[in-house]
Amino acid sequence: DAKTTQPPSMDCAEGRAANLPCNHSTISGNEYVYWYRQIHSQGPQYIIHGLKNNETNEMASLIITEDRKSSTLILPHATLRDTAVYYCIVRVYGGSQGNLIFGKGTKLSVKP
Amino acid sequence: DSGVTQTPKHLITATGQRVTLRCSPRSGDLSVYWYQQSLDQGLQFLIQYYNGEERAKGNILERFSAQQFPDLHSELNLSSLELGDSALYFCASSGGGLLSGNTIYFGEGSWLTVV
Repeated sequence: DAKTTQPPSMDCAEGRAANLPCNHSTISGNEYVYWYRQIHSQGPQYIIHGLKNNETNEMASLIITEDRKSSTLILPHATLRDTAVYYCIVRVYGGSQGNLIFGKGTKLSVKP
Repeated sequence: DSGVTQTPKHLITATGQRVTLRCSPRSGDLSVYWYQQSLDQGLQFLIQYYNGEERAKGNILERFSAQQFPDLHSELNLSSLELGDSALYFCASSGGGLLSGNTIYFGEGSWLTVV
């Protein structure tokens, strides 16, 4: 079973920041937080991952609370093309282990 | 483009038949994963191979099998097909090594329709 809890859906206005929350209260010390998104029926797309520090890349920012029990994915300037299902996943990093267990995710709708 | 290649993109077959889905991982990736996505089940992990050996098993039916070849490509074999096997099948790959990076990248999937 997925170890994360996400709201089923969210709306965001185009050009505004989209903040997607995720709870992972049972995360283990060696587990990272990963975010993927799936646009329509395309293959899931990797967005970002982190352990305990905040992370930023060209797609998004990831804010992880100090106790690591929750995180927020931030899309700074959402566009219509960001409409997708966003998945928050905890996963062991490294070596040959650590497949991804997907939950239901958050369906983000970006509106004009 | 993730670098993971799946063929065929679309496949229609009859109940009771057998099909093979093929996956070429990203260059240098040792791990291959297979996932199934149907309308009512979401993304389900089926099986993982690492450098030719089965490493983890998920909700894979006994009618399904997979293997990873020495050149690291993988095949998912689905037999005695039923209507309920109609789904999107995704392959994904990752480096598998601590230093090589272990982010999992997905292909675009193979649409299987069983009629």
